Amino acid sequence: NAGVTQTPKFQVLKTGQSMTLQCAQDMNHEYMSWYRQDPGMGLRLIHYSVGAGITDQGEVPNGYNVSRSTTEDFPLRLLSAAPSQTSVYFCASSSRGQFANTGELFFGEGSRLTVL
Amino acid sequence: SQQGEEDPQALSIQEGENATMNCSYKTSINNLQWYRQNSGRGLVHLILIRSNEREKHSGRLRVTLDTSKKSSSLLITASRAADTASYFCATDARTNAGKSTFGDGTTLTVKP
Repeated sequence: NAGVTQTPKFQVLKTGQSMTLQCAQDMNHEYMSWYRQDPGMGLRLIHYSVGAGITDQGEVPNGYNVSRSTTEDFPLRLLSAAPSQTSVYFCASSSRGQFANTGELFFGEGSRLTVL
Repeated sequence: SQQGEEDPQALSIQEGENATMNCSYKTSINNLQWYRQNSGRGLVHLILIRSNEREKHSGRLRVTLDTSKKSSSLLITASRAADTASYFCATDARTNAGKSTFGDGTTLTVKP
């Protein structure tokens, strides 16, 4: 099993550009989420999904879009990149779902984004 | 605002010593989890403790939970240089439908 796979690992954007961070998991997890981690800080939840076709906002959703068309994939879209979105982005999945809100999170290795 | 706050922010000890880090949170929780993050890597789950549990062990890890004080502690016994990492607590609040909220972490350095 590959677990949670994120691509790309590194990306440099100019202000105003758009891009999509990809996340895929092969553990048949219902729950997937995106976090951002700024230097010296913990993780802040951007968006999450409890199953295909269901998404919801986290703590810091502005400037990001998500969709969940399949169980495996949960892409994060930056609509118009801003320097404040420079961060490390982590995708995580869990066996928790719509009716079970407990379960460890499995993380990808992160996508390091710099917006100039 | 962050639900969990770790204390201390940084901890430096010698190999073989015990390391204790604490986590405080604000609202009622279903469970609390501890994660480790090695430099430049993703987070790895260490242990989960449910709100009706008071103590849990896993190898050299011991976690306690005091829901009356809204706090948890992680003890790593007989530390090793390989334990050098950042440690985060994450809480699943009762009202947040499974969303895990992370603290800012404790950076542990274990000197050989």
